[in-house]
Amino acid sequence: DIQMTQSPSSLSASVGDRVTITCRASQSISSYLNWYQQKPGKAPKLLIYAASSLQSGVPSRFSGSGSGTDFTLTISSLQPEDFATYYCQQSYSTSGFGQGTKLEIK
Amino acid sequence: QVTLRESGPALVKPTQTLTLTCTFSGFSLSTSGMCVSWIRQPPGKALEWLARIDWDDDKYYSTSLKTRLTISKDTSKNQVVLTMTNMDPVDTATYYCARKALAAADSYDYWGQGTLVTVSS
Repeated sequence: DIQMTQSPSSLSASVGDRVTITCRASQSISSYLNWYQQKPGKAPKLLIYAASSLQSGVPSRFSGSGSGTDFTLTISSLQPEDFATYYCQQSYSTSGFGQGTKLEIK
Repeated sequence: QVTLRESGPALVKPTQTLTLTCTFSGFSLSTSGMCVSWIRQPPGKALEWLARIDWDDDKYYSTSLKTRLTISKDTSKNQVVLTMTNMDPVDTATYYCARKALAAADSYDYWGQGTLVTVSS
């Protein structure tokens, strides 16, 4: 099975900050990497698919990059509604998720 | 408008079999390329992918849980059913069904609201 490792596990930041979350796969997954945002009590929301494609309706401050084994999710200027938990998902071999990164207000 | 809704028991006893139903609308599981998956999330923990069924009835399971899982579909009813045998307290989680997005790297673009299943005697 492909293992997905996110870092950091948690992160404190302020409104307006630029934030980067990293996801590493245990083997190459090409660009089969997706990012989700989850708020408490809610289902995950798709942000980025295929490593760098912005899902329709998602603000342009979210961006993704990477291929192979190393990927990043960047939020260019944090907004109050961005404080949530973020998950990466590989869809190269069936599927699997990272352990999540909780983004908290500093 | 695409919607998915999970249904099933809120409480099951250890060793029992769990049966969950995902009822969806706004798309057809007979459409080429369409898939529905089950994903779960224990309280305060990460998402865990469980199983997937494709439009052509291909089925895929989590390696660690495949001996306990069965996924099936009823295209005429727009439903996907997941059964999990020999339930244990560690299986307590919110269970989600989700639709695979077309032409989007097998991401999940629509999710149900989730159903919390507690395993306790």
